[in-house]
Amino acid sequence: SSELTQDPAVSVALGQTVRITCQGDSLRSFYASWYQQKPGQAPILVIYDKNNRPSGIPDRFSGSRSGNTASLTITGAQAEDEADYYCNSRDSSGMLVVFGGGTKLTVL
Amino acid sequence: EVQLVDSGGGLVEPGGSLRVSCAASGFTISNAWMNWVRQAPGKGLEWVGRIKSRTDGGTIDYAAPVKGRFTISRDDSKNTLSLQMDSLTTEDTAVYYCTTSTTMAFYWYFDLWGRGTLVTVSS
Repeated sequence: SSELTQDPAVSVALGQTVRITCQGDSLRSFYASWYQQKPGQAPILVIYDKNNRPSGIPDRFSGSRSGNTASLTITGAQAEDEADYYCNSRDSSGMLVVFGGGTKLTVL
Repeated sequence: EVQLVDSGGGLVEPGGSLRVSCAASGFTISNAWMNWVRQAPGKGLEWVGRIKSRTDGGTIDYAAPVKGRFTISRDDSKNTLSLQMDSLTTEDTAVYYCTTSTTMAFYWYFDLWGRGTLVTVSS
């Protein structure tokens, strides 16, 4: 079982805002990063550190943290945002790394 | 262009061995922290292991499920990362991705990914 817990599935209406969450004790000490993965493709990094986006990632993607929960927010979801989203952070020991189980986002 | 190209996957019987590789271009892997991440069919991402950059000591760490069976190595002359997998079980069936990572005190993220190579363990 993963040290980071994500809801298996979330849906959002086109153009609306959706929040995908990631819970775990390690998130009280470490920042989460977020990845988008579309079917048959490798994951891509969308958010890292406190709330940074790699070049090419739209600014509708943002990240935040509160207590033991990290969130990925998509403001004005687009059809192309339909994908699996994974969080990761250092593990509770701080020495290694873990991933959340992933959230399947459906854009209606 | 900065990229990673994974190769070497295939079908192997339980108890067997396989070596997958990752060829890097556009950067020098000895200067990077390199990782293997795997994804079983229909499942989530799982970190396998990491080798630190040469300047950071080249330390290698593994996830518990593969420790003692998998070995990460780096060939600086070929700018290539490898993963030697021994004593394979059906649980090791997955797409194996080579990735770079950036690791600081408060975070560890994977910024460049290969396309992955499929390893199937089956009789």
